[in-house]
Amino acid sequence: GEQVEQLPSILRVQEGSSASINCSYEDSASNYFPWYKQEPGENPKLIIDIRSNMERKQIQELIVLLDKKAKRFSLHITDTQPGDSAMYFCAARLRSNYQLIWGSGTKLIIKP
Amino acid sequence: EAAVTQSPRNKVTVTGGNVTLSCRQTNSHNYMYWYRQDTGHGLRLIHYSYGAGNLQIGDVPDGYKATRTTQEDFFLLLELASPSQTSLYFCASSPGLGGKEQYFGPGTRLTVL
Repeated sequence: GEQVEQLPSILRVQEGSSASINCSYEDSASNYFPWYKQEPGENPKLIIDIRSNMERKQIQELIVLLDKKAKRFSLHITDTQPGDSAMYFCAARLRSNYQLIWGSGTKLIIKP
Repeated sequence: EAAVTQSPRNKVTVTGGNVTLSCRQTNSHNYMYWYRQDTGHGLRLIHYSYGAGNLQIGDVPDGYKATRTTQEDFFLLLELASPSQTSLYFCASSPGLGGKEQYFGPGTRLTVL
């Protein structure tokens, strides 16, 4: 079936620097791409999303980029803080049945 | 804020055991989902439903049944539990399919010995 590849699986960055997580998808008709954050012991929560009519979206320190031609999208966290340490999941919505296909997750570790 | 609750929060059973995981949402959402989360696999959809009495098959349905008894309640049934079903299970709800935010419950950790 359709898959979303998410890399890296683990990302360690120094506090204050930027972190980038990349996802690629297969269905060129996918039109909705959310990002969820899961803190340790908690449930996943939506932090930012982008639709296919946009190439870039920013909410405070979170930036999402979408390259439809390459079928890739990415999350960038600028000026990382200890509270950014968490699992991050990307997903893509299939146009055929509107289901979300999830990436395998990235564990982000912010080093003090 | 959307409210999704799950019970039990932790469950230990033996191989061949019968387990029911419960989920309730009080958001009047049409869609409800059951996921399992395993290291290296992320979130995998087991079953979902768009209303009472409806059931749709997800990506990893083998060994699982589900039933949506009301708008609020969605149950996941493991009738012959196996160790491969040891996992963290999340229920979620959303007002629409795919393009709307999914609200997740706190999760149920299931161990099958």
